[in-house]
Amino acid sequence: DAKTTQPPSMDCAEGRAANLPCNHSTISGNEYVYWYRQIHSQGPQYIIHGLKNNETNEMASLIITEDRKSSTLILPHATLRDTAVYYCIVRASGGGADGLTFGKGTHLIIQP
Amino acid sequence: NAGVTQTPKFRILKIGQSMTLQCTQDMNHNYMYWYRQDPGMGLKLIYYSVGAGITDKGEVPNGYNVSRSTTEDFPLRLELAAPSQTSVYFCASSALGGGGTEAFFGQGTRLTVV
Repeated sequence: DAKTTQPPSMDCAEGRAANLPCNHSTISGNEYVYWYRQIHSQGPQYIIHGLKNNETNEMASLIITEDRKSSTLILPHATLRDTAVYYCIVRASGGGADGLTFGKGTHLIIQP
Repeated sequence: NAGVTQTPKFRILKIGQSMTLQCTQDMNHNYMYWYRQDPGMGLKLIYYSVGAGITDKGEVPNGYNVSRSTTEDFPLRLELAAPSQTSVYFCASSALGGGGTEAFFGQGTRLTVV
């Protein structure tokens, strides 16, 4: 699986959109981009994933650049409960039963 | 729908003791995983299983053993606890391996070895 690079920490004001960047310049054509978050040492929680197209669900939006070398997770109206560590993970489709590779992620702090 | 359930939530072990961390899922997922997370770090894969009767080593398997006799259960065994095994342990499951599917995590077991 390709490696990812994320800023170690970010701040965002409550009610604003939080934009979390991720660089995955070595991503392959069959690799998905996943986002998980971990709130205060709880189990990681799935947020969203995508392959080529932008994706949106009830939690967030995922914007993937046309060359697929980077992506941005957008939390449209951040709340205090969104304070967490956010992990960007790249994972190949088909095979690869050997789990997700977690880096250190981005610690997002939502300020009141 | 309980999802992935881990027990116990907390445990203190003495050096050399053994214990089993329990993990069960009710989603009929074939794929199950054990991770450990040290303070300030990401999760590291210990063992995984692609179905009942099949297990394989992850990145950090030393000092641990697993079994998968049923689809639902995937216990993790520590035989001779060492201080280096002080960590938070997470179990996860997914319907499929690889990309295109999401993994569900339990709430973790916080283990301290003294």
